[in-house]
Amino acid sequence: EMELVESGGGLAQPGRSLRLSCAASGFNFYDYGMHWVRLVPGKGLEWVSGINWNSNNEVYADSVKGRFNISRDNAKNSVYLQMNSLRPEDTALYFCVKEAGSDTGGYFEYWGQGVQVTVSS
Amino acid sequence: DIVMTQSPDSLAVSLGERATITCKSSQNVLYSLNNKNDLAWYQHKPGQPPQLLIYWASIREVGVPDRFSGSGSGTDFTLTISSLQAEDVAVYYCQQYHSVPLTFGGGTKVEIK
Repeated sequence: EMELVESGGGLAQPGRSLRLSCAASGFNFYDYGMHWVRLVPGKGLEWVSGINWNSNNEVYADSVKGRFNISRDNAKNSVYLQMNSLRPEDTALYFCVKEAGSDTGGYFEYWGQGVQVTVSS
Repeated sequence: DIVMTQSPDSLAVSLGERATITCKSSQNVLYSLNNKNDLAWYQHKPGQPPQLLIYWASIREVGVPDRFSGSGSGTDFTLTISSLQAEDVAVYYCQQYHSVPLTFGGGTKVEIK
């Protein structure tokens, strides 16, 4: 059975960093693009970043470009989101998401349970 | 960026009645090479992750009840729940995957009247 398990969230002060991890199982991880999508309180879903199957293509929302970095380790069936220079508006529930294709431009086929990130002083 | 606009923001429907949600994109999301629209619909219930309902604007995901249907092309799309059930109470989102940044509509909250 397919599973995505996020970890690494928590409370961080503005300007600090957090690293989210997502462990995948139940499918051929190396065949699929992976994304991070966040649920912002009162605002809905916002796509954050995506990475293709072999890490040759990384894409970011303008709101996080230059601050966040996505990466993956196919040997460990894992995808990561390094979040630097955190801002209060980054507060959200972050979902790890498997897309339907191998690149970064598909629909979101399967979602993890999510991990909470709170940025506050 | 492609802006996705959903309406209404919220919707109250009696059990067994039809619920209709519309989604408009600021640009055409029809992919000319395969003549398919790059539009998906998701259902999000509290305390659960979002679930894919519809992709390519009208293809139902495996396991999704057939009371859910998607239609439309180009810039105008509709999600219809033909006979609302209690378990359909959720927020519904459309999403375009035609171009990066991938973008969602603002969501439509469906409740029981």
